[in-house]
Amino acid sequence: SQQGEEDPQALSIQEGENATMNCSYKTSINNLQWYRQNSGRGLVHLILIRSNEREKHSGRLRVTLDTSKKSSSLLITASRAADTASYFCATVEGAQKLVFGQGTRLTINP
Amino acid sequence: SQTIHQWPATLVQPVGSPLSLECTVEGTSNPNLYWYRQAAGRGLQLLFYSVGIGQISSEVPQNLSASRPQDRQFILSSKKLLLSDSGFYLCAWRSQGARGEKLFFGSGTQLSVL
Repeated sequence: SQQGEEDPQALSIQEGENATMNCSYKTSINNLQWYRQNSGRGLVHLILIRSNEREKHSGRLRVTLDTSKKSSSLLITASRAADTASYFCATVEGAQKLVFGQGTRLTINP
Repeated sequence: SQTIHQWPATLVQPVGSPLSLECTVEGTSNPNLYWYRQAAGRGLQLLFYSVGIGQISSEVPQNLSASRPQDRQFILSSKKLLLSDSGFYLCAWRSQGARGEKLFFGSGTQLSVL
């Protein structure tokens, strides 16, 4: 099943600009997670936001969560070429399954 | 520290041949283990997960099976590969219980069925 859906599917910006990606989900959640995947590699966990949190920061990352709209956003500030990757949101179904969206492919142009 | 090993990194197999992908985790005990498949440029599809030895939950009816013969070993198998089995296979683990929220992924296996 597909719980999270990211938007946009692809995003291309200039280095130094901010990048915003959105995620929508369907059912109630305890937390929502964001992951990053470099091409041909495994995913790496970036940040987790709990259902009772509205905003969370980690370095240049800012995540927001709106449970009334069942949506989350990931903001990367002052983007760098090394931020080029795909970004996925994930939510837990039942107690054990992490379900991922289709991802946003972010390209940072130097 | 915990590590996850997944091999091989790439695999080219003919249609109808068998498959065995192995994943092992070190530095933790009784992890939840997962197999995902990713088509090119797409999201992750959960194939199987396991909460303990011999306990396998299948998410998608298909040509694949999984086994967990040891606590930290997770194996993905097929008796006869199909063209549609091509993809990027990812193994992942997380801790049991309330603390075990985030997934840790292996480096993946790129499988091409020809």
